[in-house]
Amino acid sequence: ETGVTQSPTHLIKTRGQQVTLRCSSQSGHNTVSWYQQALGQGPQFIFQYYREEENGRGNFPPRFSGLQFPNYSSELNVNALELDDSALYLCASSGKGGSQETQYFGPGTRLLVL
Amino acid sequence: GDSVTQMEGPVTLSEEAFLTINCTYTATGYPSLFWYVQYPGEGLQLLLKATKADDKGSNKGFEATYRKETTSFHLEKGSVQVSDSAVYFCALSETGYSTLTFGKGTMLLVSP
Repeated sequence: ETGVTQSPTHLIKTRGQQVTLRCSSQSGHNTVSWYQQALGQGPQFIFQYYREEENGRGNFPPRFSGLQFPNYSSELNVNALELDDSALYLCASSGKGGSQETQYFGPGTRLLVL
Repeated sequence: GDSVTQMEGPVTLSEEAFLTINCTYTATGYPSLFWYVQYPGEGLQLLLKATKADDKGSNKGFEATYRKETTSFHLEKGSVQVSDSAVYFCALSETGYSTLTFGKGTMLLVSP
């Protein structure tokens, strides 16, 4: 069984640029959630996708957007990057939306904005 | 809103010492509770979970009991190893939702 994978592992961007992060969910999982983990902090929920539809969103501005594809992989897009967007971005997959499904995390993408 | 509060770290212990990391929560419903572990440079791994009051989650010698009366889910291990050095996160998910609310994490450092 393949676990959650993310790409790239590291990324450096400059302020104002746009970035796309990618996530492949664990086999059999149809729900993907994205989290932002700033240095020394716990992960913060960005949004969740279930069957290609957004299924909940945390307190993040609209310049954070996402997609989920028919194979349940997902992208996180961030426009107009700011210095504070520097963080580890974690993707987690679970079996289905709701019902307190356990989430399984990928290794993360570390984004540095200069 | 929901929140999770963990004891601040780092927690420094010698090998074979007893470990307790405190976690308390605030939630509107009846959440599920989790402990995740993050090793240096890696993502989060599920360590254990409990879905209802008085449930005990356990894994790899770690245990935590869901205490509704004290809204707590403290992590314990009887004898820590150097390989347990990591950051531990307490988290909850509300009834009917799978999204997680995390605490700030507690770093554990175990010396030989």
